[in-house]
Amino acid sequence: SQQGEEDPQALSIQEGENATMNCSYKTSINNLQWYRQNSGRGLVHLILIRSNEREKHSGRLRVTLDTSKKSSSLLITASRAADTASYFCATDLSGAGSYQLTFGKGTKLSVIP
Amino acid sequence: EAGVAQSPRYKIIEKRQSVAFWCNPISGHATLYWYQQILGQGPKLLIQFQNNGVVDDSQLPKDRFSAERLKGVDSTLKIQPAKLEDSAVYLCASSFQRNTEAFFGQGTRLTVV
Repeated sequence: SQQGEEDPQALSIQEGENATMNCSYKTSINNLQWYRQNSGRGLVHLILIRSNEREKHSGRLRVTLDTSKKSSSLLITASRAADTASYFCATDLSGAGSYQLTFGKGTKLSVIP
Repeated sequence: EAGVAQSPRYKIIEKRQSVAFWCNPISGHATLYWYQQILGQGPKLLIQFQNNGVVDDSQLPKDRFSAERLKGVDSTLKIQPAKLEDSAVYLCASSFQRNTEAFFGQGTRLTVV
């Protein structure tokens, strides 16, 4: 079963604008990770945020985590055409016997030049 | 640092035939994952190894799928017999340990006709 669920399913913006994607999940996690997948390519890790962290930055990426709401957001600032890709959140589950790294269905981002 | 290697890149087989995929993870990575990604969907975890032991195979269709990780390094995923709905990209990933970022291979695109 897929733990995380991204929102929106698809997003289209102009180059230079900011893009925000959200992820909701259901059970307790050790960490939450965001990945990017370009058309025809493998998944690339972007950011890992642990359950005791609230915000993390990497270049133009900003990730927030709200464990009370079981949600996370990924913000891409000053978007570029090269950011066009599908973005997935993945939850690393905690709890007795749970060791899954589980992906959501993804948000398809299109950045128009 | 060499990435996760997978072979073959593409495979076309007829239904009811068997197929095997091979994965060589990043050296020193204890955790190895196999995912199935159907077009337009997020990756679905099939099986997760910690060294050469299985820690999760709850979503592996065990009547037709099998996987092993010999000596805690390379891994093979086998499908026998294949069905039309097995057409997907099979992704292998590895991570240093369970709660760290995962690195993905380029995947094997399987078409069952």
